[in-house]
Order: sequence, then C-alpha cells, then structure tokens
Amino acid sequence: KQEVTQIPAALSVPEGENLVLNCSFTDSAIYNLQWFRQDPGKGLTSLLLIQSSQREQTSGRLNASLDKSSGRSTLYIAASQPGDSATYLCAAISSNTGKLIFGQGTTLQVKP
Amino acid sequence: NAGVTQTPKFQVLKTGQSMTLQCAQDMNHEYMSWYRQDPGMGLRLIHYSVGAGITDQGEVPNGYNVSRSTTEDFPLRLLSAAPSQTSVYFCASRRIPGTQETQYFGPGTRLLVL
Repeated sequence: KQEVTQIPAALSVPEGENLVLNCSFTDSAIYNLQWFRQDPGKGLTSLLLIQSSQREQTSGRLNASLDKSSGRSTLYIAASQPGDSATYLCAAISSNTGKLIFGQGTTLQVKP
Repeated sequence: NAGVTQTPKFQVLKTGQSMTLQCAQDMNHEYMSWYRQDPGMGLRLIHYSVGAGITDQGEVPNGYNVSRSTTEDFPLRLLSAAPSQTSVYFCASRRIPGTQETQYFGPGTRLLVL
C-alpha cells in the first residue's frame, strides 16, 4: 500500500529565505509525483508534475526533484515571499492502481 | 472552460439526512474522483471513476455512493449523514486514467453534520 509522508508539518521562515519541503513515498511504482498548493479555504492548485522518467521540474522560483530509488521528492522554493504562505501537498499516482495518494501537507508561513 | 465545478459550497445537515454533492467537469476527462480532507489526515480517496458507467472504491468508501452516467458528472451521495462525515469534499478529474497527466481539483464543498 502506497503511503506518502511530508516533513515538516509546518514551517515558518523569514522573507527571502530559500527553503526545501520534503516528501517521501513507500512504493516506487509511480506514474508521476505532483506538488500542489492549497490556500486557506480554497481548493488545490497544481504547481509541478514530475513524470516517473524525469528527475526534476522547474517553474519560476519552484524546483521539484524526484528520486524514485530512494522514494523521495523535494520542493525547493527560492527567495521565499509572503505570498508563498500556504499549505503544500505532494501526491503520487500509483502505476499499479492509478490512484493519487496524498501526503498530509506542509503548512508554510513566510514572514515579511 | 469552467474546469471542475462543485455545488454546493457549504451545507449543514442533521444526522440521518441524505444529500448529493454535485461535481461536473467540461474538459472531457475520463477519470474523476472524490476526496475528503480532514485536519491531520490529508486528502483521502473516497470513490473514483475511470469512465462513464465505471466506478470503484477508494480508501474510505463507507457511507458514500457514486454513479457516473455521463462523462461530465460524478455526484457523491450521502445516504444517511453522520457527524463523522463532517469534512471538506473535493472532486477532481484528469484526462486519461493511469497516465502522466495533471489532476485538476474543484473548489470544494464544506459539509457540517450535526
């Protein structure tokens, strides 16, 4: 059974700091891994999708990496801004079941 | 495209009442799914569908029914609401099941069962 874990559960940093969010998964048989952003009281917005054959994806100040052999993904946020404050969720699509399994999320607060 | 839409945005029910949460997408996506989100539990898959007429159970299906009569709609039914079903419900879709495609989420329905 696929399990996805995110560490830390919460993170508070000063504006301008570079930071890394961690995601680990137990089953390496995945189609892809996605990172989502969720603002309070809102739905989920897809940030980056890394296909199983890829090692990383970049979008602006965001860079996500994937290491299937170790069961890990990281989301790197450069030069953090207060507008980056949100909950970040990672999710893996199992290639065995096609189901998207989520981690519990990391709640980020960037202080001005 | 409107994307994935959900109605209602918020609902209060009494224990034992029934209701249907509506979900629709206009992107001709084959794969649709329902999740519930609870504090400290993340998003958990309730039911999913890989196409019209085909549904299957996720992690937490008890107390919920679904049907998929059209590609566009995927309603979630609570037959007899319980306080444990108080949660935020998200509907999601993606183009083709089991492929390397982005999943799109609706804005959510907040349900309170008293």
